[in-house]
Amino acid sequence: DAGVIQSPRHEVTEMGQEVTLRCKPISGHDYLFWYRQTMMRGLELLIYFNNNVPIDDSGMPEDRFSAKMPNASFSTLKIQPSEPRDSAVYFCASSLPGFKEAFFGQGTRLTVV
Amino acid sequence: GDSVTQMEGPVTLSEEAFLTINCTYTATGYPSLFWYVQYPGEGLQLLLKATKADDKGSNKGFEATYRKETTSFHLEKGSVQVSDSAVYFCALRSDTNAGKSTFGDGTTLTVKP
Repeated sequence: DAGVIQSPRHEVTEMGQEVTLRCKPISGHDYLFWYRQTMMRGLELLIYFNNNVPIDDSGMPEDRFSAKMPNASFSTLKIQPSEPRDSAVYFCASSLPGFKEAFFGQGTRLTVV
Repeated sequence: GDSVTQMEGPVTLSEEAFLTINCTYTATGYPSLFWYVQYPGEGLQLLLKATKADDKGSNKGFEATYRKETTSFHLEKGSVQVSDSAVYFCALRSDTNAGKSTFGDGTTLTVKP
């Protein structure tokens, strides 16, 4: 398997623009997680899905953030409108249920100017 | 709820020195414990894991033992190399937290030649 695939790897956008980050989890994994990583706040869980259903979105910072998982092989994280403080590395991860480890993608480095 | 406390960093060592990064946890169930490593510019990847008390996880010369009595999972390596420079995250996953993992804050290790 190719692992968790995220796109784009880098995104530079202007404040106020809409940004969409994409994730393809490992086939057969029924958990999908979105994380954000910054120097100031470290690694934060934003939202996660089980069998395509959002389970906990309490980490989503504001209504400007939304996430969807229309099917088992694709998820998006959208920021609209984007702000400079959203600049961070966003990771997607997937896992099997139970006590299994998470597999992380390479991340998307977002810069909002 | 579940929590993970890691030794604060950064940690700087000379090549061939002994490494210990402390990790303690709080969990209401019987979690699995993990160490992840993040190299610069990459996502987190599993380094080692242990699924029950007294299990020892090991990989690439790193070891950690699941100590239920002290709720600890300290990471050790007998002789570090420059290539071990990375950020190390301790994490747990329990059946009482609806499938999500709990991560520590990460410890940055720098190994100097």
